[in-house]
Amino acid sequence: DVKVTQSSRYLVKRTGEKVFLECVQDMDHENMFWYRQDPGLGLRLIYFSYDVKMKEKGDIPEGYSVSREKKERFSLILESASTNQTSMYLCASSLTGLGEKLFFGSGTQLSVL
Amino acid sequence: SQKIEQNSEALNIQEGKTATLTCNYTNYSPAYLQWYRQDPGRGPVFLLLIRENEKEKRKERLKVTFDTTLKQSLFHITASQPADSATYLCALRRNQGGKLIFGQGTELSVKP
Repeated sequence: DVKVTQSSRYLVKRTGEKVFLECVQDMDHENMFWYRQDPGLGLRLIYFSYDVKMKEKGDIPEGYSVSREKKERFSLILESASTNQTSMYLCASSLTGLGEKLFFGSGTQLSVL
Repeated sequence: SQKIEQNSEALNIQEGKTATLTCNYTNYSPAYLQWYRQDPGRGPVFLLLIRENEKEKRKERLKVTFDTTLKQSLFHITASQPADSATYLCALRRNQGGKLIFGQGTELSVKP
């Protein structure tokens, strides 16, 4: 089975800090995604990548950046964390195409104080 | 604007009954629709995919229908069990654009 691993289950950071969320997948998937999930708003796509060093903005990229230096690793960066970025962050990967079934990590619950 | 709507209220049913969850969409021409299950504190897990030219798909106790005229998908769990309690998400891939768009999810609670 595909395994998507997110480095932290819980994170607490202070406003203004630079935050790195790491995600690794072990099945050689081309596509990787970062979503955030908030009550009442569902999953919203922040960024995705369909190849190494390639990235595309999703629906809510403001305040975030990403890095994909290796195929298996996709990092989400909060340049200067703010309280409205408190959320559950979910990483996902897929094998082919942009809409094939996604394999999700367990999520990182980020609290920005 | 483009929208996917799932029942926001939790669905409570008795063990053994059939659970039916609804996913409605507007302004899409979907290539296919997916259903995911999400347990508290975990990431969603893929369950089923149904394409626009398919009316129905089954997998064990799960059944999904897709009506492109009504712009609706129904997700059924027959002979429901307490272990089926979770939040269920639908997601659409548009014909153009390619990204998956998720609904907000419906929480299902199956009581023994």
